[in-house]
Amino acid sequence: NAGVTQTPKFQVLKTGQSMTLQCAQDMNHNSMYWYRQDPGMGLRLIYYSASEGTTDKGEVPNGYNVSRLNKREFSLRLESAAPSQTSVYFCASRADIDRVGSGANVLTFGAGSRLTVL
Amino acid sequence: KQEVTQIPAALSVPEGENLVLNCSFTDSAIYNLQWFRQDPGKGLTSLLLIQSSQREQTSGRLNASLDKSSGRSTLYIAASQPGDSATYLCAVFGAKDSSYKLIFGSGTRLLVRP
Repeated sequence: NAGVTQTPKFQVLKTGQSMTLQCAQDMNHNSMYWYRQDPGMGLRLIYYSASEGTTDKGEVPNGYNVSRLNKREFSLRLESAAPSQTSVYFCASRADIDRVGSGANVLTFGAGSRLTVL
Repeated sequence: KQEVTQIPAALSVPEGENLVLNCSFTDSAIYNLQWFRQDPGKGLTSLLLIQSSQREQTSGRLNASLDKSSGRSTLYIAASQPGDSATYLCAVFGAKDSSYKLIFGSGTRLLVRP
């Protein structure tokens, strides 16, 4: 009953270093999302994947890349980390937007990954 | 561009009070609206989801309403308890461009005092 699993939970990077945040869901969901949460800014969408094999930019994609490796996994990569990318990152998934009333539209979140860039 | 606003940003009430949290959105062409709860340092837990064709949803002491034409939703919490203390976020899912984006408000931080 894992739901959405994110790794790592905490990470400290130096400016210019690269890293990948991993996300996996075991609910056979089609859509997956990466958000960042900053104080006073709410959650902002970085990238999303409506289905396996597709990815699209959200509100704040600059400095990030994503890979939808398969239906279960959606990773977020920081190629050259900057202090402005210090944040809490959340991965989420959803079953199927067209299945109205089945509960499939509910967005399920992971526990978050806290990233600090020095 | 869809914008979601939540008022108030913070709320402190004594235990037992009934309270209302507000969420407004600028584009009424939405697919659904979802309310979440977030405890400090934790992820988001879904509370209620209202489809665009629905007027309200209820779960226990929680009732969420949706008025699409006016761009508003309210979350009503009955008989509040200290365990209800958390940040409550609403999010709307836009219907226009099929881009599958869920846009969040900044949240209302609720403190229920014993």
